[in-house]
Amino acid sequence: QDVLTQPPSTSASLGASVKLTCRLSSGRSAYAVAWYQVQPGKGPRFLMKVNSDGTYTKGDGIPDRFSGSTSGTERYLTISRLQSEDEADYYCQTWGTGILFVFGTGTSLTVL
Amino acid sequence: EVQLLESGGTLVQPGGSLRLSCSASGFAFSSYALAWVRQAPGKGLDWVSIISGSGGSKYYADSVKGRFTTSRDTSTNTVHLDMSSLTAADTAIYYCARARAISAPFDYWGQGTLVAVSS
Repeated sequence: QDVLTQPPSTSASLGASVKLTCRLSSGRSAYAVAWYQVQPGKGPRFLMKVNSDGTYTKGDGIPDRFSGSTSGTERYLTISRLQSEDEADYYCQTWGTGILFVFGTGTSLTVL
Repeated sequence: EVQLLESGGTLVQPGGSLRLSCSASGFAFSSYALAWVRQAPGKGLDWVSIISGSGGSKYYADSVKGRFTTSRDTSTNTVHLDMSSLTAADTAIYYCARARAISAPFDYWGQGTLVAVSS
């Protein structure tokens, strides 16, 4: 069973909202995850850390359009008022005893 | 402004060795852990190694353990990744990233340096 599961792709319309999902494997409901954005030709950008209680801490300069939430073993990244520049790959990551650092396989977001 | 600038990527033959460097600026170097993360062509992010702020703790992914070594030089604010016994599977963009602690997200990243292993 993979530690983190992400859908491979999703799409949403310009100006709309999208909720990206990262599912932790069974027994890891207390784990936090981090979300990263990877745009073509650029280094990854830290978006936020989402905790098991639903609180989240954003990285420097991350717009208010980005928010995080939690439900059980799922951690979410919601992007509101989608812009063309939000089209990118989004990865979640977790860490902990015995697993060090693990990334999900990423979700490719297309803005229509 | 926090900056991480990787260098050293190049084309190398299978079985060869290479040293990558990451020059850091804009923050208290010794107060942060520094990690290496790679991304193979068309693939996802893959954590490689991390070294604590003091340099006293180092961790490696199983795929590179025994072949890669990370170190840091406080006199030049640089972290290194020494890679040996390289194979085609090591071909990737290698990113340097900063973390507040060993168990913390990577809050700043460099632009990456490309390592290509091929004959």
